[in-house]
Amino acid sequence: RKEVEQDPGPFNVPEGATVAFNCTYSNSASQSFFWYRQDCRKEPKLLMSVYSSGNEDGRFTAQLNRASQYISLLIRDSKLSDSATYLCVVNFNNDMRFGAGTRLTVKP
Amino acid sequence: DTGVSQNPRHKITKRGQNVTFRCDPISEHNRLYWYRQTLGQGPEFLTYFQNEAQLEKSRLLSDRFSAERPKGSFSTLEIQRTEQGDSAMYLCASSLSPDRAYFGPGTRLTVT
Repeated sequence: RKEVEQDPGPFNVPEGATVAFNCTYSNSASQSFFWYRQDCRKEPKLLMSVYSSGNEDGRFTAQLNRASQYISLLIRDSKLSDSATYLCVVNFNNDMRFGAGTRLTVKP
Repeated sequence: DTGVSQNPRHKITKRGQNVTFRCDPISEHNRLYWYRQTLGQGPEFLTYFQNEAQLEKSRLLSDRFSAERPKGSFSTLEIQRTEQGDSAMYLCASSLSPDRAYFGPGTRLTVT
């Protein structure tokens, strides 16, 4: 089993749609959690951290369920500029492990 | 530009040759990571430094790979006797805390 597993995607959605990505992790002792965004042929960039209480940043909402070892990212009112690959990241003792990523394409 | 820089950006080498990549982290960042990424996959952890100490090394890293961070600033990643399977994007990231890592643009290695 992979340490971090994500929805395989790709997700192709129209502008304005709501889309959700899921991620599961295997190490129950993992300490911190993140979503990164990676544009084609670019480096990953932090989108948001994920907290146990859930957190929101504009159109983006991230949630963590430690009991189920599950992380989610919800994007509301999707924009063309949201098209990218979204990487789930799990950190244990400074060892950041990435999922394979979920590709999102938002179409006009 | 005070971001993470990596050199070279692209490297084409013949199988069996040695290559060395350099990463200059954001100044004062004590944590430095190396990752490898192939098409359609997420970054794969290779190794991690805190200051000059290499604290973790992936089991994926064969003895042909070595990384150093001699003065706790820049880091080098060397691959000896390159193989075609080494072709990938090599990413470096640095951070001051576990909360946020900043990535460099990567070095794309092609082994022919």
